[in-house]
Amino acid sequence: QKEVEQDPGPLSVPEGAIVSLNCTYSNSAFQYFMWYRQYSRKGPELLMYTYSSGNKEDGRFTAQVDKSSKYISLFIRDSQPSDSATYLCAPSGGGYQKVTFGTGTKLQVIP
Amino acid sequence: EAGVAQSPRYKIIEKRQSVAFWCNPISGHATLYWYQQILGQGPKLLIQFQNNGVVDDSQLPKDRFSAERLKGVDSTLKIQPAKLEDSAVYLCASSLGNQPQHFGDGTRLSIL
Repeated sequence: QKEVEQDPGPLSVPEGAIVSLNCTYSNSAFQYFMWYRQYSRKGPELLMYTYSSGNKEDGRFTAQVDKSSKYISLFIRDSQPSDSATYLCAPSGGGYQKVTFGTGTKLQVIP
Repeated sequence: EAGVAQSPRYKIIEKRQSVAFWCNPISGHATLYWYQQILGQGPKLLIQFQNNGVVDDSQLPKDRFSAERLKGVDSTLKIQPAKLEDSAVYLCASSLGNQPQHFGDGTRLSIL
């Protein structure tokens, strides 16, 4: 079993839709949870950064962590064509511990 | 604030040749990482430096890959000799303390 599981997609939605991207993980030591966005031929860009369980909202983006079920979600409201990218979940134990990346979910928002 | 700089952006070599990549982290970031990202996969950590010391190189294929970070700033990653399976994007990232990592745009390596 991989430490972090993420549906690779691709996920195709119409503009304005609500998008839900999800990851599961197996390592109970993970305390910090990141979402990175990666455009084609670019490096990953930090989108959201949360600690422990709960929700965090930033504009159209909401990150949700449920440590009891080891489930991580990213919601995108009012999705835009510019949101078309690959989204990587990346949990970590924190400090200088290694970040473990999911395989990424490729999202396409159709105008 | 300038981001993580990497060069070259693209490199094409034949198998068994050698290649080197360069990374300049964000100013002041003591921690530097090299990742390998194969098409359709997430980044895989190859090596992590704290200043000029190695913190984690457990997934670095040491028979062919080497990395150094002289003076605790810039870093180079070398592959010698290259194999076909080394075709990937090589990403450099840096971080300040225990803050999230910031990535460069990577070097796309193709092995013929």
